[in-house]
Amino acid sequence: AQSVSQHNHHVILSEAASLELGCNYSYGGTVNLFWYVQYPGQHLQLLLKYFSGDPLVKGIKGFEAEFIKSKFSFNLRKPSVQWSDTAEYFCAVNLPDSNYQLIWGAGTKLIIKP
Amino acid sequence: EPEVTQTPSHQVTQMGQEVILRCVPISNHLYFYWYRQILGQKVEFLVSFYNNEISEKSEIFDDQFSVERPDGSNFTLKIRSTKLEDSAMYFCASSTNYEQYFGPGTRLTVT
Repeated sequence: AQSVSQHNHHVILSEAASLELGCNYSYGGTVNLFWYVQYPGQHLQLLLKYFSGDPLVKGIKGFEAEFIKSKFSFNLRKPSVQWSDTAEYFCAVNLPDSNYQLIWGAGTKLIIKP
Repeated sequence: EPEVTQTPSHQVTQMGQEVILRCVPISNHLYFYWYRQILGQKVEFLVSFYNNEISEKSEIFDDQFSVERPDGSNFTLKIRSTKLEDSAMYFCASSTNYEQYFGPGTRLTVT
C-alpha cells in the first residue's frame, strides 16, 4: 500500500535557524505532493504543492520544497524560521487515479524557541 | 476568502448512539471528503464524494458510516452506532481538483 513517511515527529529550533523536514513516499508512478500546516487551534492549511514542472516549489510564508523523484522525497525547507512557524506540518500525497484522496504522513511538530 | 465550516466543534456521545457531523463545503467545489485523526495517529482518509455519490472509500468506512449531501450546501457524515474507537477529530474537506480545503474539524468523544 502507498505510504508517506515523515522522519521527525518533533523538532525544536531557535529563531533564525534553518529548517528542513523530511518526507518520503512509496509509490513508483506519478504523484501530487503537498505540505499542509496546522497552527495551534487552527485549520489545516496548504503550504505548498507540487504537480509537475519545476521540482523546486515555493509556498507561503517563505517555505519551499524540493521534489526529488529518484529519492521519492519532497522535503520542506525554510532558511530562517520564526517563532510564528510553531505548528504541526504534514506531508501528503495523492495519486492521479485515486479520486484525489490524500495519503498522509504522521506529521512533525515544530517548536520554535524565541 | 471562502472557507469550509464544520459543526459542532466538539461532540460528546455515548457508545451505541448515532451522531451526525456536519460540513458546509466551499460553494463552487465539486469534490467532498471526510478524514479522521485519532489522537496521536496519522490523518486517515474515510471517503470521497462526487456527483452525489461516493467515489471512493477506505476500509475504515464500513456499514456504520454514511455520507449525504441533503441539500445544495451541507455534507454530512453519520455514524450509526458509535464505538469508543470512533473517538477522533473528523475533518471535512472540499476541492475543485487536487487542492483540498479543510474545515476546522469536529472532535468526537465517545464515552
